[in-house]
Amino acid sequence: GAVVSQHPSWVICKSGTSVKIECRSLDFQATTMFWYRQFPKQSLMLMATSNEGSKATYEQGVEKDKFLINHASLTLSTLTVTSAHPEDSSFYICSAPTGVEAFFGQGTRLTVV
Amino acid sequence: AQTVTQSQPEMSVQEAETVTLSCTYDTSESDYYLFWYKQPPSRQMILVIRQEAYKQQNATENRFSVNFQKAAKSFSLKISDSQLGDAAMYFCAYRTRNQAGTALIFGKGTTLSVSS
Repeated sequence: GAVVSQHPSWVICKSGTSVKIECRSLDFQATTMFWYRQFPKQSLMLMATSNEGSKATYEQGVEKDKFLINHASLTLSTLTVTSAHPEDSSFYICSAPTGVEAFFGQGTRLTVV
Repeated sequence: AQTVTQSQPEMSVQEAETVTLSCTYDTSESDYYLFWYKQPPSRQMILVIRQEAYKQQNATENRFSVNFQKAAKSFSLKISDSQLGDAAMYFCAYRTRNQAGTALIFGKGTTLSVSS
């Protein structure tokens, strides 16, 4: 199946700094990328949808200025958590749809200290 | 809006036994997809099985099968001959077929533990 590579797998950053998470589609072109957030033992919550060449669409309640999403090319989408705070600590997952199925990145565990 | 409900936060099963995970959904659409995803401790999302709503036949993938009841809006997952490696969180998910590139709608998940 298609592969979505997400990096880094885990990151620890200091409060107030920014962190960038990358998702690359390795063997297909991803015109759309979904970004999810997951708290421990909970479901995946859709944060935003990025489309190549256009602005991202954010779900209600998600701060656009805190979670910057860029879909620079058909194979790369990035999520930047700006001015991170401890409450931003979570597991972030990207997913690209291909036809019927969606393929997921490995996820990024973000810890803000 | 579509919703997906998993009413069993936790389930347990003995090795080699069979377990069924429940899922119900609500939609006004007639054409859609349903999925079961597995999320092991590594947290990588793994597709277990999928069902197209227009197909009456229940999907089967090796030890995994579904009971799809469209009128009842029910989509349960049966795991036969359970193995230790089946221990994970399982998510039921819905996706419309009417528009390409739409996000999955997930249920809250069921944590399955398998004992030897």
